[in-house]
Amino acid sequence: DARVTQTPRDKVTEMGQEVTMRCQPILGHNTVFWYRQTMMQGLELLAYFRNRAPLDDSGMPKDRFSAEMPDATLATLKIQPSEPRDSAVYFCASGLATGTGTNTEAFFGQGTRLTVV
Amino acid sequence: AQTVTQSQPEMSVQEAETVTLSCTYDTSESDYYLFWYKQPPSRQMILVIRQEAYKQQNATENRFSVNFQKAAKSFSLKISDSQLGDAAMYFCAYRSRLRRKLIFGQGTELSVKP
Repeated sequence: DARVTQTPRDKVTEMGQEVTMRCQPILGHNTVFWYRQTMMQGLELLAYFRNRAPLDDSGMPKDRFSAEMPDATLATLKIQPSEPRDSAVYFCASGLATGTGTNTEAFFGQGTRLTVV
Repeated sequence: AQTVTQSQPEMSVQEAETVTLSCTYDTSESDYYLFWYKQPPSRQMILVIRQEAYKQQNATENRFSVNFQKAAKSFSLKISDSQLGDAAMYFCAYRSRLRRKLIFGQGTELSVKP
């Protein structure tokens, strides 16, 4: 049963602490996306990777957020230091992109609900 | 820049009845995809249906079908024979063929009455 796995499912942390969210994309997928969902902004793209290389992270606050893919089976999103305004649900999604520009749908994980107090 | 608009924040339907969720989008591109995602209380984003812009035929997946009007830039979702399990937030989304970024609407919360 292929699925995108995100950990932790829920995280409560104090302001100023470092937060790391992890994502295991579907095996064989070569694109990974990080989205953030809030009531005010809805779903917005933070970053995406293709073949582990970051292609677009323009939606991510650079001073405190960082996204990496240490290997093809793991993507991480870190916030340091965290702030209350970072409270949101963070989704990871993966897909398959070919050289001809064809892409499969993005398959989403269940998200990490982050609460910064 | 592309935008996606869902003008119905909430909708309600009686079980076994039909409901249509509206979505409009704005783009200058000619080659793109449109999607409807379902988000139940579990938070999981589930792909419901997908439409390629170059296909004139409307996509259908069991009880779910779309009405794609390319000239009007409209992409509505019809749910037939509504079931209690259809209750969820529904998001319309756009993606260019070449760019991977999904652009989402604000969502429509659908409730199903028994």
